[in-house]
Amino acid sequence: AQTVTQSQPEMSVQEAETVTLSCTYDTSESDYYLFWYKQPPSRQMILVIRQEAYKQQNATENRFSVNFQKAAKSFSLKISDSQLGDAAMYFCAYRHSGNKLVFGAGTILRVKS
Amino acid sequence: ETGVTQSPTHLIKTRGQQVTLRCSSQSGHNTVSWYQQALGQGPQFIFQYYREEENGRGNFPPRFSGLQFPNYSSELNVNALELDDSALYLCASSENGGQSWETQYFGPGTRLLVL
Repeated sequence: AQTVTQSQPEMSVQEAETVTLSCTYDTSESDYYLFWYKQPPSRQMILVIRQEAYKQQNATENRFSVNFQKAAKSFSLKISDSQLGDAAMYFCAYRHSGNKLVFGAGTILRVKS
Repeated sequence: ETGVTQSPTHLIKTRGQQVTLRCSSQSGHNTVSWYQQALGQGPQFIFQYYREEENGRGNFPPRFSGLQFPNYSSELNVNALELDDSALYLCASSENGGQSWETQYFGPGTRLLVL
C-alpha cells in the first residue's frame, strides 16, 4: 500500500523568509501524481501545487515550488517570501490510479511577524 | 462558479445514532469523494461516487454508506455511531470520474462529535 510521510509535525518561519516542508512517499508505481494541499483554520483544503511523476521539471506556482526527487521518493515544498496568510496545516498527498488521495499526517506552518 | 459546499457545519450525536452529511459538488463536476479527518491527522479516503455509482471504497466498515443524486450532490450516512467516528468529514468534487491526474476541490467540512 502506498504511504505518505511528513516528518515535521510543526515548522516556523519568519515573515519574508523561505521555508521547506518535507514529504516522502512509498510506492512501487512509476506513474503517479503528487500534491500539496493547504488547510487553514477555516478547514477548507486548498490545492497549492501538483507534480506529475513523469515530468522531471519541478512544478512552480508563484512563491511555491517543489523539489521532486523520484528515485528518493521525496517531494518537498518550498515557500519563498513567506506571508502571514501562509500559516496553515500543509498536507502532502499521493495519487496513482482511480480515485483516492493518500495523505500524510500534515505539517503545521507558523509564520512569525 | 459555485464551490463545494457541505452541511451542516457542526453536528453532535450520541453513540448508536445515525447521521447524514450532505455535499454539493462544484458546478460541472460529476464525481464526489468523501474523506474522514480525525483530529491531528491527514484525511482518510472513505469512498467515491461517480454518476450515482460507488466508484471505489477505502478501509471503512459497511455502516458508512453514501448516495449520489442526479444533480451530483451527495450524502454520507453513518449508522451505529461510535466515539471514534468523531472527526471532520470532507467531501471533494472533481469533473471527470476521478482520474488520477485530476484536482479534487474540497468543501469546508462537517465537524461531527459523537458523545
